[in-house]
Amino acid sequence: GQQLNQSPQSMFIQEGEDVSMNCTSSSIFNTWLWYKQEPGEGPVLLIALYKAGELTSNGRLTAQFGITRKDSFLNISASIPSDVGIYFCAGQNSGYALNFGKGTSLLVTP
Amino acid sequence: AAGVIQSPRHLIKEKRETATLKCYPIPRHDTVYWYQQGPGQDPQFLISFYEKMQSDKGSIPDRFSAQQFSDYHSELNMSSLELGDSALYFCASSLYGFNTEAFFGQGTRLTVV
Repeated sequence: GQQLNQSPQSMFIQEGEDVSMNCTSSSIFNTWLWYKQEPGEGPVLLIALYKAGELTSNGRLTAQFGITRKDSFLNISASIPSDVGIYFCAGQNSGYALNFGKGTSLLVTP
Repeated sequence: AAGVIQSPRHLIKEKRETATLKCYPIPRHDTVYWYQQGPGQDPQFLISFYEKMQSDKGSIPDRFSAQQFSDYHSELNMSSLELGDSALYFCASSLYGFNTEAFFGQGTRLTVV
């Protein structure tokens, strides 16, 4: 499958700071998804994006589907300790598998 | 709301044994995906099914097989297990088509000793 380039690989921030991570691909996707995974658990869907240019929020999270359909970013505002985890982007075309980025590991200190 | 159910949650097998992992998708979801995730790795796609037919295939070893049944649950069969098969195995389900979201189960942790 298509490997996505996700950055940064890890982030170590203080509570209250904003966070931004992004994902790029050499191929276009119809859907971009952002997941959060905690140790030993399955990825939990945070935000799904279906349309180029779409900007969608879910609480303190905001994600955008890039105009070229080859990229997406996720912002977390006013981070809190429970935001700790690994964030994965995933691109998908209908009927096919999700292609994941390598993940961004987020650590938040109180 | 009902989520994707996987069983068992944990499984310990010896080398060369076989294992069967089960996945029960969200009700009315017709598509199932299987992923393998090693420590510190991103999920790697194995195989997917739509309406009981294989819809996409990834890096699934020949020693593994899977199927989707008439009630849409799916099973991943793994034979001649190797130490390197130790990993978390996730199942995800979705509705086929545009603008659909894939939801993951909690996974099965397989340890081969």
